Amino acid sequence: TAGITQAPTSQILAAGRSMTLRCTQDMRHNAMYWYRQDLGLGLRLIHYSNTAGTTGKGEVPDGYSVSRANTDDFPLTLASAVPSQTSVYFCASSDSGGFGYTFGSGTRLTVV
Amino acid sequence: GIQVEQSPPDLILQEGANSTLRCNFSDSVNNLQWFHQNPWGQLINLFYIPSGTKQNGRLSATTVATERYSLLYISSSQTTDSGVYFCSAMEYGNKLVFGAGTILRVKS
Repeated sequence: TAGITQAPTSQILAAGRSMTLRCTQDMRHNAMYWYRQDLGLGLRLIHYSNTAGTTGKGEVPDGYSVSRANTDDFPLTLASAVPSQTSVYFCASSDSGGFGYTFGSGTRLTVV
Repeated sequence: GIQVEQSPPDLILQEGANSTLRCNFSDSVNNLQWFHQNPWGQLINLFYIPSGTKQNGRLSATTVATERYSLLYISSSQTTDSGVYFCSAMEYGNKLVFGAGTILRVKS
C-alpha cells in the first residue's frame, strides 16, 4: 500500500543519547515534514523539505536536524536527547502545492 | 504566523446525533484542511477545503474564507467517529499550522 513508513514505532531513549527517526515515502511527493504532537498543543512543525537537497526550520527546530538526500527519505536526528523531547513524532509528505497531505503512523519517543 | 483556533475543545455525543465543529483562522489562507486522528493515533486527511462546501458521506465541510472560518459537520454520528479532529491552515512553503483539536467521544 502506498504511503509513508516510519520506524521505529516506539523507543525509550536515555537522555544524552542520539537517535535517528526514519521516514520513507513511496508517493514521489516533493515535500516532506516532521511534526511533533504533545497533549494540548496539537501538532507543531519541526523541520520541512520542499524538495530533495533542501531543508528548512519549522516552529520548534531546536535539538533536531534533518537531511534530504533523495526524494523518498527524510530522517530526523536528535543529537543529544533531553526529556522535553518526549513526544509522538509524525512524518508527512505532500506534493509541491500542499495537496495530498499524508501522515505516517508516528513514532512514540520517551526520553528518560 | 497564522493562528488557528478550534471549538469546542471537547464534545460528547450519543450515537446518531449530529455535531458541528468550528475552526477560526487569523489570516487569509489558500489551503485549509481537516484531519481525523483515530483512537490508534492515525491521522487521516478528511477534506482539503480552502473555500466552499464539500461532502463525503456523513461528513461535510464548509469554509467561508472572507470571514476566516471553517465548519465540519458530522451527521448521524457513529462510535467510529470518535477521536480528535484537527483543522489546519497552510503557511508559505506548504507548512501546515494546526489547531489544538476537538476531542470527540461518541457513546453507543
